[in-house]
Amino acid sequence: EVQLVESGGGLVQPGRSLTLSCVASGFTFDDYAMHWVRQVPGKGLQWVSTIGWNSNTIGYADSVKGRFTISRDNTKNSLFLHMNSLRPEDTALYYCVKDKGHSLGGVPATFAMDVWGQGTTVSVS
Amino acid sequence: DIQMTQSPSSLSASIGDRVTITCRTDQTINNYLHWYQQKPGKAPKLLISVASNLQSGVPSRFSGSGSGTVFTLTISGLQSEDFATYFCQQTYTTPLTFGQGTRLDIK
Repeated sequence: EVQLVESGGGLVQPGRSLTLSCVASGFTFDDYAMHWVRQVPGKGLQWVSTIGWNSNTIGYADSVKGRFTISRDNTKNSLFLHMNSLRPEDTALYYCVKDKGHSLGGVPATFAMDVWGQGTTVSVS
Repeated sequence: DIQMTQSPSSLSASIGDRVTITCRTDQTINNYLHWYQQKPGKAPKLLISVASNLQSGVPSRFSGSGSGTVFTLTISGLQSEDFATYFCQQTYTTPLTFGQGTRLDIK
């Protein structure tokens, strides 16, 4: 079964740091680009960051650039999001998501997001 | 940034109805437009990729069409399990952007 399981969320004070983790199973993790997408409960979806299969291509939303760092460890089928200088507006449910493609390109940037985890909640207050 | 305008924001319909949701972009995106379904308390699920490609396991009552800057998701013959929120998304260029969502509920 293809699965993504996130962990690491929690309640944190503004200005502090937190690291989210995601463990993948059921597919060849190092073949695909991976994303973090967040959602404020009852609201829409916001792209946070993308990393290509070999970590050579990375992108961030402007709202997190310089504060968040995405990384992956293909030997452990794991994706990470290191979040620094957290703000109340970062409060959301964070999803780990698999892409149908390999990398973050120019155009197109990526393909579609075909596997989603259940999310981990980050509260900044 | 590519702006996504999804309409309507909410929609009431009956079992068996045919419904259409529209997503407009303010730039051409070479059909890199995807549709997701999200049920309460659940993660989004990919229904259709690249405007019209139905994902494996998704019922054939779902279809996508469009090109350029106007795209549609059609559900033909609504079933009870289809009442959910639907989002469009472009992955043509970063930042990747989503529509604001269409909430589909039972009339």
